[in-house]
Amino acid sequence: DTAVSQTPKYLVTQMGNDKSIKCEQNLGHDTMYWYKQDSKKFLKIMFSYNNKELIINETVPNRFSPKSPDKAHLNLHINSLELGDSAVYFCASSHLGRWNTEAFFGQGTRLTVV
Amino acid sequence: QKEVEQNSGPLSVPEGAIASLNCTYSDRVSQSFFWYRQYSGKSPELIMSIYSNGDKEDGRFTAQLNKASQYVSLLIRDSQPSDSATYLCAVNESGGSNYKLTFGKGTLLTVNP
Repeated sequence: DTAVSQTPKYLVTQMGNDKSIKCEQNLGHDTMYWYKQDSKKFLKIMFSYNNKELIINETVPNRFSPKSPDKAHLNLHINSLELGDSAVYFCASSHLGRWNTEAFFGQGTRLTVV
Repeated sequence: QKEVEQNSGPLSVPEGAIASLNCTYSDRVSQSFFWYRQYSGKSPELIMSIYSNGDKEDGRFTAQLNKASQYVSLLIRDSQPSDSATYLCAVNESGGSNYKLTFGKGTLLTVNP
């Protein structure tokens, strides 16, 4: 019954590697997001997709490439991982255009780059 | 740069007291406002939403919105140790096709038994 699910929950990898995080939602929402939460707990939007189309890209390095095969899935691929990429990455979903809709979050992926 | 500002805390209150959390935002056309609670190591979960000026009550929680002052607050009555968490204020910037929730940096609340 999980509404927004992400995998993996934990990811430890070496600098320079490439890794992916997967996200799926079963809420019927048309918009999905990736947020990054740093060590100071600041939650910042990275990307937003509506019906598989990119609508928000918040000055994120090109090493980060989101992919949305359908509106229920939004994956995040990261190339050439750097130490500064260590953070918790949250996937979220909502209904676009409904200004009073809230975002529902996945459980997060804690990425540690060593 | 559109911003959402919160006192980072920590805010410490005794059990049974009222906890007051504050948030200001810079985008005057923001339409909807949310309070999320985040326990350590967990994801944010929505506890309150508010769209109109005034107060909105839900159990022990009251959200207050003043659009003229660009201010939103959350009151927690009869605070419990289980309320200890980081509270995130979120603002919908301008709605429509550019829907984006912008979060404040959060206020860490500790309720002491």
